[in-house]
Amino acid sequence: DAGVTQSPTHLIKTRGQHVTLRCSPISGHKSVSWYQQVLGQGPQFIFQYYEKEERGRGNFPDRFSARQFPNYSSELNVNALLLGDSALYLCASSLGSGSPGAQSYEQYFGPGTRLTVT
Amino acid sequence: AQTVTQSQPEMSVQEAETVTLSCTYDTSESDYYLFWYKQPPSRQMILVIRQEAYKQQNATENRFSVNFQKAAKSFSLKISDSQLGDAAMYFCAYRTPNNNDMRFGAGTRLTVKP
Repeated sequence: DAGVTQSPTHLIKTRGQHVTLRCSPISGHKSVSWYQQVLGQGPQFIFQYYEKEERGRGNFPDRFSARQFPNYSSELNVNALLLGDSALYLCASSLGSGSPGAQSYEQYFGPGTRLTVT
Repeated sequence: AQTVTQSQPEMSVQEAETVTLSCTYDTSESDYYLFWYKQPPSRQMILVIRQEAYKQQNATENRFSVNFQKAAKSFSLKISDSQLGDAAMYFCAYRTPNNNDMRFGAGTRLTVKP
């Protein structure tokens, strides 16, 4: 089975522009989470979606938004890009609520999208 | 707030030897999950091992095992018979059933020497 996929792999944008990142979860997974990983740091939580509803939001400005589609794929949008938005953006999928034990919370990560803002 | 601390920015181990990576966390919750993730230079984050807080038995996955000390809020990862392919960044992570975010430590870079 295919793992979590993300597109594009790399992206270069200019300050002030807008960007859309895409993620397809593992088949059967209903939850998608987004993380920002700045070079040399651990991932920071941005959003979680489950069954197309936002279930969690990290400490990020309103320039960051996301949505989940009926097929459980997801988009992360960032408006008015700043230099500090340069990072690896990771998508992770999980079974989501309703499954027993830790398995529902195990997150499987995609390869990430490397965003560079110049 | 829940925080995860990895106090070893870098660690080095000789091939075939054993190494232990440290992780501590701060929480007031009694029910939570702990994870170790590996991120090779290829950057794809891979789940190594997980531990449910309600389980007293330490989790083991082949050469990887944890030492979970709930009272001390400590969750260390032991890698036995280290292999060159184990070289990577290792992240400790924490999550509760009620919160939808996973908290990660800053990571430990593991180098394996041949």
